[in-house]
Amino acid sequence: QSALTQPASVSGSPGQSITISCTGTSSDVGTYNLVSWYQQHPGKVPILLIYDVTKRPSGVSNRFSGSKSGNTASLTISGLQAEDEADYYCCSYARSATSVVFGGGTKLTVL
Amino acid sequence: EVQLVDSGGGLVQPGRSLRLSCTASGFTFGDFAMSWVRQAPGKGLEWVAFIGSKGYGGGTEYAASVKDRFTISRDDSKSIAYLQMNSLTTEDTAVYYCTRHTSAWYVDNFHNWGQGTLVIVSS
Repeated sequence: QSALTQPASVSGSPGQSITISCTGTSSDVGTYNLVSWYQQHPGKVPILLIYDVTKRPSGVSNRFSGSKSGNTASLTISGLQAEDEADYYCCSYARSATSVVFGGGTKLTVL
Repeated sequence: EVQLVDSGGGLVQPGRSLRLSCTASGFTFGDFAMSWVRQAPGKGLEWVAFIGSKGYGGGTEYAASVKDRFTISRDDSKSIAYLQMNSLTTEDTAVYYCTRHTSAWYVDNFHNWGQGTLVIVSS
C-alpha cells in the first residue's frame, strides 16, 4: 500500500479538464510544500510535471497545474489531449522513516 | 543538456550483490543532490536512496526497505553516482532510475531521470 493515495484511474474527453487527487497526512503533504507530480507513458521514463506544489519546469505545458489544500494535493490537466494518456504519480517529502513517499499512480484515459 | 546514463543492472541470485552506476553530463555534477528511484514490473515508483552535494556535507538517506543493505555514493571527479546493493532479494527486482534533484542538499523533486537499468533477482 502506497503512502499517498491516488485514484487508480480517471478519464476525460479531449478538450475537457480533469483533476487527480493525492491524499497524504500531516507528516507529508500537509506539512511540506515539496509535492511533485510525474508523468510516465508506457515503457518510458517518468518526467517531472510539477514541483513545489505549483511550479512548472521549463518546457512543460501550462495546461498542467498543481495545488494543495490541507493533506491533499491535486494535479489539474486542462484542454485534454490524446497525448496526455499516461500514468501520473504524486510525490512528497515526508517526516518518517522513509523520507520520500509516492502515490500509487493514476492511469489517465483520454476517451 | 542534462544526461544521466544508468548502467550495471542484470540478473543476480538472491543474497548476492550488484553495483549500479549513473554517469552524468551536461551540468556541474558536484553541485546537485542525486537519488535512485526504482519501479518493480507493473508497479509504481519507489524512492530508494539520496545523497547530497559534498559542498553541503554529502549526507545520505535511505528508504526503510533498503536501509542497511544498500549504499549510495558519488565520485564528483568522474561525475558518477553509485548504488551498491547487498543481500538482494526477489523484492528488489525492478528498473532502477538515477535522478538529479533541483536542490544541492535536501530531497526536493526528481528533476532529471536516467533511462533506467533493470535488475532481476532470481535463482
